[in-house]
Amino acid sequence: AQSVTQPDIHITVSEGASLELRCNYSYGATPYLFWYVQSPGQGLQLLLKYFSGDTLVQGIKGFEAEFKRSQSSFNLRKPSVHWSDAAEYFCAVGEIQGAQKLVFGQGTRLTINP
Amino acid sequence: GAGVSQSPSNKVTEKGKDVELRCDPISGHTALYWYRQSLGQGLEFLIYFQGNSAPDKSGLPSDRFSAERTGGSVSTLTIQRTQQEDSAVYLCASSLEPNQPQHFGDGTRLSIL
Repeated sequence: AQSVTQPDIHITVSEGASLELRCNYSYGATPYLFWYVQSPGQGLQLLLKYFSGDTLVQGIKGFEAEFKRSQSSFNLRKPSVHWSDAAEYFCAVGEIQGAQKLVFGQGTRLTINP
Repeated sequence: GAGVSQSPSNKVTEKGKDVELRCDPISGHTALYWYRQSLGQGLEFLIYFQGNSAPDKSGLPSDRFSAERTGGSVSTLTIQRTQQEDSAVYLCASSLEPNQPQHFGDGTRLSIL
């Protein structure tokens, strides 16, 4: 069965500092990989996705993620965080074909110190 | 609006009552998904609709849960004889095609007293 692990439940960084959120997945083949962000009281917003090709993908709001097959990882990065980045971040995997019944990690809550 | 719309945004009901949650997907999106987000279980897939095909109900936790999608557009998730463990945020998502990224609504927060 597919699974996604986000090892860090809560991360605090200072504004302007760099950020890396970890995501490891378990899947029989190369899955579709996603990062979503959720602000309080709102739904999930897609930050970026990896389907195939270049393993470094760029997303919205200055985020990027790198797919590493050998490590079964898809870590999210941002060079310099802003206070508005405070939110919960979810990594997810989906099937390559057919329905994308996404399997989500438990999420990482990001707090930004001024 | 251009996004996925869910109603109501909040619902409080007594244990044992039935509830209906509504989802309006983005116009033209053929695939529609329901997920549940709860403190104990995180985000879980519930059910998937694609066009006129039979829905994939593999994520529904019990037979008290059902959903339908009328005319390939609006969907309703129904929970019968609600229990306290049904308290969660129910999220709806739609995508243009099944293997395309999903766009989520803001969810319905369901509280069972």
